[in-house]
Amino acid sequence: ETGVTQTPRHLVMGMTNKKSLKCEQHLGHNAMYWYKQSAKKPLELMFVYSLEERVENNSVPSRFSPECPNSSHLFLHLHTLQPEDSALYLCASSQVGVGSRAFFGQGTRLTVV
Amino acid sequence: QKEVEQNSGPLSVPEGAIASLNCTYSDRGSQSFFWYRQYSGKSPELIMSIYSNGDKEDGRFTAQLNKASQYVSLLIRDSQPSDSATYLCAVENEGTSYDKVIFGPGTSLSVIP
Repeated sequence: ETGVTQTPRHLVMGMTNKKSLKCEQHLGHNAMYWYKQSAKKPLELMFVYSLEERVENNSVPSRFSPECPNSSHLFLHLHTLQPEDSALYLCASSQVGVGSRAFFGQGTRLTVV
Repeated sequence: QKEVEQNSGPLSVPEGAIASLNCTYSDRGSQSFFWYRQYSGKSPELIMSIYSNGDKEDGRFTAQLNKASQYVSLLIRDSQPSDSATYLCAVENEGTSYDKVIFGPGTSLSVIP
């Protein structure tokens, strides 16, 4: 238990569906992240919410939409996904500063059919 | 483009041997360096962090940093089958939150009983 909880753990969705991934951190951190991990590829940072400011990787398609209502909760809204979006989606949190190590949630294994 | 490189492996070592994992990075301004361990199907967990040149030991793990050579390594002494996992090198840089922490692709380690 890392203090970062993700739900659901597994998700299968069709390309026309809309779903949301949820992340909650109980560590009092002030930054939260969404990462994508595909097979045989490095972790890819998708979005960061740091000190209430959002920073995003411009290569992330618009079919992924993050929401951070407060410093403890983070959502990733999904719509009209493609099969290549199937991956492990990891949420992480940290306390901003030099040496700010990330604590990861258990991840959501997403399969798009 | 800031990059972190690792040998993908798999690296196989016999039980009780020393496993040596290597990582190189491109950004000379990098400040903090982390090693994460990721078991198959699980999320990454932090095992070591290092911020200054030299060695840092924690139990069976030793991290080594050489900023002049832009090189960081992880040694695992008395390797155990339970150490079999993928080891991710992560490097923290100054700059925007998006490219602040860069992960390498990971090295797969297999400890043979």
